[in-house]
Amino acid sequence: AQSVTQPDIHITVSEGASLELRCNYSYGATPYLFWYVQSPGQGLQLLLKYFSGDTLVQGIKGFEAEFKRSQSSFNLRKPSVHWSDAAEYFCAVGAGGSGNTGKLIFGQGTTLQVKP
Amino acid sequence: DVKVTQSSRYLVKRTGEKVFLECVQDMDHENMFWYRQDPGLGLRLIYFSYDVKMKEKGDIPEGYSVSREKKERFSLILESASTNQTSMYLCASRTRYEQYFGPGTRLTVT
Repeated sequence: AQSVTQPDIHITVSEGASLELRCNYSYGATPYLFWYVQSPGQGLQLLLKYFSGDTLVQGIKGFEAEFKRSQSSFNLRKPSVHWSDAAEYFCAVGAGGSGNTGKLIFGQGTTLQVKP
Repeated sequence: DVKVTQSSRYLVKRTGEKVFLECVQDMDHENMFWYRQDPGLGLRLIYFSYDVKMKEKGDIPEGYSVSREKKERFSLILESASTNQTSMYLCASRTRYEQYFGPGTRLTVT
């Protein structure tokens, strides 16, 4: 069955420190992969997406993610976290290629807390 | 910019009431989605729609129905609200490669 796992429910980092949020997926076909961020009281905003090509993708707000097919992972990284990055982060997978129905499967989410 | 709006940010209803949650998008997208978001469970798909009057069940459709009479509007209906439907409800519409989300409606059923 298709699934997405974010192993870390809650992460706390100090402002200025580096960040890595983990995402593992289980998907039989070619996956489309996404990271979304949700600030308190807001809807979801797309940070970045991977469809094909270069496995290191750049997103907004200084985030990047690396697709590793051998590990079924799509981890999100940022070299230096800002207090405004405190939010909930969701990894999602969707059908690629001709199976692209637009349906997404989301992970459970990781809440990021930033210490001053 | 794509805009997806939801009719209410907060809603309080009583058990047994019929509840309508409205979603409107302004980008002529064919595909629209309704999710519910619960702590520790992420987002789960309730229903989605490919086009006007077209709908398909998602992963958790029980207790919900939907209506899509116009392309820009997708409504989620709780026929008889129950306390276990207390949740955050998110609507989205989609281009070929990206879903755009509304701000969400936090529904409390008492």
